[in-house]
Formats: sequence, C-alpha cells, structure tokens
Amino acid sequence: EPEVTQTPSHQVTQMGQEVILRCVPISNHLYFYWYRQILGQKVEFLVSFYNNEISEKSEIFDDQFSVERPDGSNFTLKIRSTKLEDSAMYFCASSEVTGDEAFFGQGTRLTVV
Amino acid sequence: GNSVTQMEGPVTLSEEAFLTINCTYTATGYPSLFWYVQYPGEGLQLLLKATKADDKGSNKGFEATYRKETTSFHLEKGSVQVSDSAVYFCALSDERGYQKVTFGTGTKLQVIP
Repeated sequence: EPEVTQTPSHQVTQMGQEVILRCVPISNHLYFYWYRQILGQKVEFLVSFYNNEISEKSEIFDDQFSVERPDGSNFTLKIRSTKLEDSAMYFCASSEVTGDEAFFGQGTRLTVV
Repeated sequence: GNSVTQMEGPVTLSEEAFLTINCTYTATGYPSLFWYVQYPGEGLQLLLKATKADDKGSNKGFEATYRKETTSFHLEKGSVQVSDSAVYFCALSDERGYQKVTFGTGTKLQVIP
C-alpha cells in the first residue's frame, strides 16, 4: 500500500541551527501539507502546497519556515534559526485530490537543544 | 473559523467495555469529518471518515455518524480491546478546495485487561 515516508525519524539540533525535514508523498498525490504536534498538544496545521506554491498557511508558519518541492518526489520543510519551542513532531501529509482525506507520514521528531 | 471540540481524557476502560468519545465541530458549509488514531510511538492513521450528513464511517469495530443537526461525530465501539489503547483525534476538513485538516485536542484511551 502506498505511504507517505518521512526522514529522519528523529532529529536533534542546536538552537539557532537550520534543519530540513524531508518527505516523500504518495506518488500520484497533488496536495502536500505539513503539520506539527508539540508534545501533549493538538496537531496544528502549518502549510499546504499545490502546483508548486503555497496555497494556505497558518499564523505559525512565519518567515522562519519555508517549503519546497525540489524535484518530482520530495517535499521539504526548512526551519531556519531553530528555537527551543520548535521542538515537536512534524507530520507530512498528502492527498490526491481536493475533497479526499490526507495520508500522513510517521512523523519526524525534532528536538532543539 | 473551523474548530473541533472533543471530550477530555484520559479515558480508562476495562477490556470489552463500551466506548464513546464525544466530538462536536464548528464549520461553515459541509465539512468532511474524520477520526484519526495515534498509537504509542507512531504517527497518525486515519481510522474512519464521513463526508456528508447521516453518513456512518466504520472501521475495526469503531463507528461514527455525521450528525449535522447536532454538529457531532461521536466515536463508538461496542467492545474495546487492550490493543485499542491510543490517542484518538476528531478532525474535519473544509470544503473550500484545500485539505487543511483541523484537529481536536485528542483523547487518550487506555484499556486495561
């Protein structure tokens, strides 16, 4: 069964460093998303991406964050100058068409120390 | 904006007990409704969904009915197992054409033998 894959599963970084979280969406999907879940809290929408541009973003997704689809398969989330409060589980998701459910990856646990 | 409210946890049940996790939502139009499950140490998995009023989603013995009149989507299972122990998230996606999913805060279920 096709699945969304994320790498790495766990990333530890020092405060102030840049990190890139990687995702390979399901191959025929057109819509891509990033969510995050701070430990013990709700899953929060960060950004959606369609047709090589951001289609929607939340207030959390400020200039510190950027997304990119550098080739036909990967979808990345870059966090510049990480802060302690960026520590969270980051989920990538994709969906084939609008109106269908999103399939989530296993997540990348980011720990900023 | 859209929002999802679900009952606070944790919920502790004995094996074979009946489970109800309440969920209500606020949204414009006709959202799709979902229950996602997060097993310990894992990512989000879609458990079931309903896309229009009076639809019943079901999977693995779990059921939820889309009730537009009460804006509810309560999750039920007739006989829980220890393996059902997880965090359950009620969620919705809007009908505007993008797949931003709004999640509830999650309800932790612990089933004891």
